[in-house]
Amino acid sequence: EVQLVESGGGLVQPGGSLRLSCAASGFTFSSYWMHWVRQAPGKGLVWVSRINSDGSSTNYADSVKGRFTISRDNAKNTLYLQMNSLRAEDTAVYYCARGATIFGVVIFAFDIWGQGTMVTVSS
Amino acid sequence: QSALTQPASVSGSPGQSITISCTGTSSDVGGYNYVSWYQQHPGKAPKLMIYEVSNRPSGVSNRFSGSKSGNTASLTISGLQAEDEADYYCSSYTSSSTWVFGGGTKLTVL
Repeated sequence: EVQLVESGGGLVQPGGSLRLSCAASGFTFSSYWMHWVRQAPGKGLVWVSRINSDGSSTNYADSVKGRFTISRDNAKNTLYLQMNSLRAEDTAVYYCARGATIFGVVIFAFDIWGQGTMVTVSS
Repeated sequence: QSALTQPASVSGSPGQSITISCTGTSSDVGGYNYVSWYQQHPGKAPKLMIYEVSNRPSGVSNRFSGSKSGNTASLTISGLQAEDEADYYCSSYTSSSTWVFGGGTKLTVL
C-alpha cells in the first residue's frame, strides 16, 4: 500500500525549533518530488516547500523562506522539514504529499497525502 | 504569492450540477496548464480529483470535470451526491517555481 506517515509535531514555544519527518512506503520514494503543505485550524491549504527526487533542488513559500529547510534521505525513504524561528502563525497541521507523475513525467499536482501532524506554536 | 480566489461556499441538491471557480493571474492559473483540484472531508487528508486542468486520476468519478479559460479554472460536479459534500481546493504551479492553493470552497449538498 502506498503510504505517507508524518511524525514529529507537537507544542513548541515561539522562536523554537521542530523537525518533522514523513516516512514513505509502497512506492519508489527516490523517484518522486515531495512537498510539505500546511493547514491552520479551520483554514485552507497552504503550500510550504518542495524537494526534487535526489534532493538537489528545493523551493519554499515566502512565508517560511530562511526559517524552514526541506530535506530527504532516500536510503531511509524519509522526508524532513526542519522548522526554526517558529511563530504563532506557523501553527497548523503539516501534511507531506507526493508530487504526482504520469509515466514518469511530473504533472505538478499532489497525488498521495499523509494524515498530517499538528504543530502548535504557543507560549 | 496571493491565494487563488474561490467562492467560500456553493450548494446544490442531489442530482444537480455545480461549478466552483478558481481565479488567479497570468503568473499561475493563466500561465500554465498545471491546475489541480482537491477534495477534503472534515478531519481527513486532501484527495486529488483533477490534474492538469481537466484530467481525472484513476478511480475518480467521471462526474468530476475541470476546465480553464484565461486566468480562471473551474471544477464541475454533475449528478451531485451526498458524499460529495466536502471542501474543495484548487491549486496551480506558479512562475516563481512554487505552488499556490485557493482559499477553499465548502460544498453543501442540500
